[in-house]
Amino acid sequence: GAGVSQSPSNKVTEKGKDVELRCDPISGHTALYWYRQSLGQGLEFLIYFQGNSAPDKSGLPSDRFSAERTGGSVSTLTIQRTQQEDSAVYLCASRLSSGRTYNEQFFGPGTRLTVL
Amino acid sequence: AQSVSQHNHHVILSEAASLELGCNYSYGGTVNLFWYVQYPGQHLQLLLKYFSGDPLVKGIKGFEAEFIKSKFSFNLRKPSVQWSDTAEYFCAVISSGNTGKLIFGQGTTLQVKP
Repeated sequence: GAGVSQSPSNKVTEKGKDVELRCDPISGHTALYWYRQSLGQGLEFLIYFQGNSAPDKSGLPSDRFSAERTGGSVSTLTIQRTQQEDSAVYLCASRLSSGRTYNEQFFGPGTRLTVL
Repeated sequence: AQSVSQHNHHVILSEAASLELGCNYSYGGTVNLFWYVQYPGQHLQLLLKYFSGDPLVKGIKGFEAEFIKSKFSFNLRKPSVQWSDTAEYFCAVISSGNTGKLIFGQGTTLQVKP
């Protein structure tokens, strides 16, 4: 079946501009995560959504970062006033909330963000 | 805070050599452990996972890992690597709490020479 999809695959922007990254999770997966993969920091958790519950935003690095999940499906990660240190690959993952795969996360291909 | 440490950052092996990648975690409670692999140009994929039971876990493509609670370790092994195993390998643990968010190690780049 279809996996997690993300768009765009690559995004080049100028410092100070806003960007939006999109994630389409696997159908039926109610839990959704955003992670960031960068050279200096490795893979870091950013934010977690579960159904209609309040998201866990504890991994967002600054208030320039925000995310939303509409209708319990698609999620958008927004970075305002981008900085060069925001350059990274942004990964989205989703998982089921029950069953043996409860804790297995399926990752998308990522969006490579380059801030000039 | 929980952390995961991968000791080998870059490993170079010849085909048919045996592989062991080290992973240590800091959390002392119940742990759920994973190894993910990222092949060149591809997304992260699950290799294997440990939740409970037999501490020797078998995954895809001939990989296995052993959970040793007393050593806080979850090392990845493969008896004979192939060129197609060239990839980046990440060890991860689910953080405490109920979100299921993953804490990753820094990753190990494996290069297998034909």
